[in-house]
Amino acid sequence: ELKVEQNPLFLSMQEGKNYTIYCNYSTTSDRLYWYRQDPGKSLESLFVLLSNGAVKQEGRLMASLDTKARLSTLHITAAVHDLSATYFCAVDGGYGGSQGNLIFGKGTKLSVKP
Amino acid sequence: NAGVTQTPKFQVLKTGQSMTLQCAQDMNHNSMYWYRQDPGMGLRLIYYSASEGTTDKGEVPNGYNVSRLNKREFSLRLESAAPSQTSVYFCASSEVAGTLAKNIQYFGAGTRLSVL
Repeated sequence: ELKVEQNPLFLSMQEGKNYTIYCNYSTTSDRLYWYRQDPGKSLESLFVLLSNGAVKQEGRLMASLDTKARLSTLHITAAVHDLSATYFCAVDGGYGGSQGNLIFGKGTKLSVKP
Repeated sequence: NAGVTQTPKFQVLKTGQSMTLQCAQDMNHNSMYWYRQDPGMGLRLIYYSASEGTTDKGEVPNGYNVSRLNKREFSLRLESAAPSQTSVYFCASSEVAGTLAKNIQYFGAGTRLSVL
């Protein structure tokens, strides 16, 4: 059974600081996704990582993938309040033998304070 | 550009009542999904439809049924609602499952369901 574990689950940061969210998964997978969810809102796709060593960056967020270690990281640089949200990683779980079904981590609730 | 549209946005049911959650996408996607989100649990897959005419169980299918009405629409039915089904339900769609494509899932705004 594929499991996806994120840590930390809660993260309180000060503006301007750097931090990393970790996503570990238990079996091999071709694709890893990062999503953002604002309170009471839907999920928004941030990054898709398709291969070992893949790195994607958007603004203050950078995601990377190490398929050998089964680890993805989401690095936050110089955090600002607008980044406050819950961040989910998800792995292509191949549910029922069909690729494309995502297994989600429990999410990391990020709060950036002045 | 509507994307994925879910109705209703909010619903309160009494135990034993039935209801259908509707989902439609206008992106010509082949695959559609229903998830539930509970506090501290992330999203869990209820049912999915890899293509029109097919549906399959996900991680937590008990108490639910689905219908892929056509390529655009994928509905989720609760035949006899229970308090354990109080949750936020998300519908999603993606271009094609089972390929090397990015296969990003696009989510609707969610339905907040309370079962009393």
